Amino acid sequence: DVKVTQSSRYLVKRTGEKVFLECVQDMDHENMFWYRQDPGLGLRLIYFSYDVKMKEKGDIPEGYSVSREKKERFSLILESASTNQTSMYLCASSWTPPSTDTQYFGPGTRLTVL
Amino acid sequence: GESVGLHLPTLSVQEGDNSIINCAYSNSASDYFIWYKQESGKGPQFIIDIRSNMDKRQGQRVTVLLNKTVKHLSLQIAATQPGDSAVYFCAENGSSNTGKLIFGQGTTLQVKP
Repeated sequence: DVKVTQSSRYLVKRTGEKVFLECVQDMDHENMFWYRQDPGLGLRLIYFSYDVKMKEKGDIPEGYSVSREKKERFSLILESASTNQTSMYLCASSWTPPSTDTQYFGPGTRLTVL
Repeated sequence: GESVGLHLPTLSVQEGDNSIINCAYSNSASDYFIWYKQESGKGPQFIIDIRSNMDKRQGQRVTVLLNKTVKHLSLQIAATQPGDSAVYFCAENGSSNTGKLIFGQGTTLQVKP
C-alpha cells in the first residue's frame, strides 16, 4: 500500500514564526504536491514538484516556499506565518503520467496560527 | 475556466439504501477521473478511478459511471453503511498532462441509521 506521512497532525504557531511542514512518501513517486483545504474553497494547490530539486507554483503560492532535496521528502515552508494561513494542509504524491494520475494523500496537518 | 463541480453539497440517505453522488466536469480533454472519500479530520482516500475509454467501472460496493457526452461523472454506493458517511469529491486530470488534478468542491454524504 502507498503510504504518505506528514510530520504533525496538529500544529499551533504564532504570527511571524517560520513553520516547516514535512511530507514523506514510500512509493518512489516522482510527483509530490502540497494543498490547503478550507471550508467552501475545496482543495487548492500551493506547490508541486515533479522531481528532486524541481518545483512549480500552484494556484496559491504566495507566502509559501517548498524544498525537495530527496525524492521521498517534500517540505512546505511558511516563511512568516500569518493568521490567514490557518488551514488544513494536505500532502499528496503520484507517479508521472501516463502511468497514472492518481494522487495519494497524507493524513493532513491542521495548522492554527495565533 | 476549468472546473469540476458537484451537483449537491449534502446528500442524506437511509442506511441500506443506495447512494448516488454526481459530478460535472468542464474540460473535455480530461481522460482520467477519480473519486475520493474524506472522513472528518483525515486526508482524502482513493476510492475508484476510471479512464475515458470506459463508461463504467465497478469496485467493492461502488460503481463509477462516466458520460462523456454530457461531461458527467457519478459514484454509486450500494447498501450504504454508517461508515460511508464522509465528504466525497471527484477529480479530473484536465489537459496539462503534468500529474496535476482538478478537484470538485465535495458532497457530504450523511447516512441515517
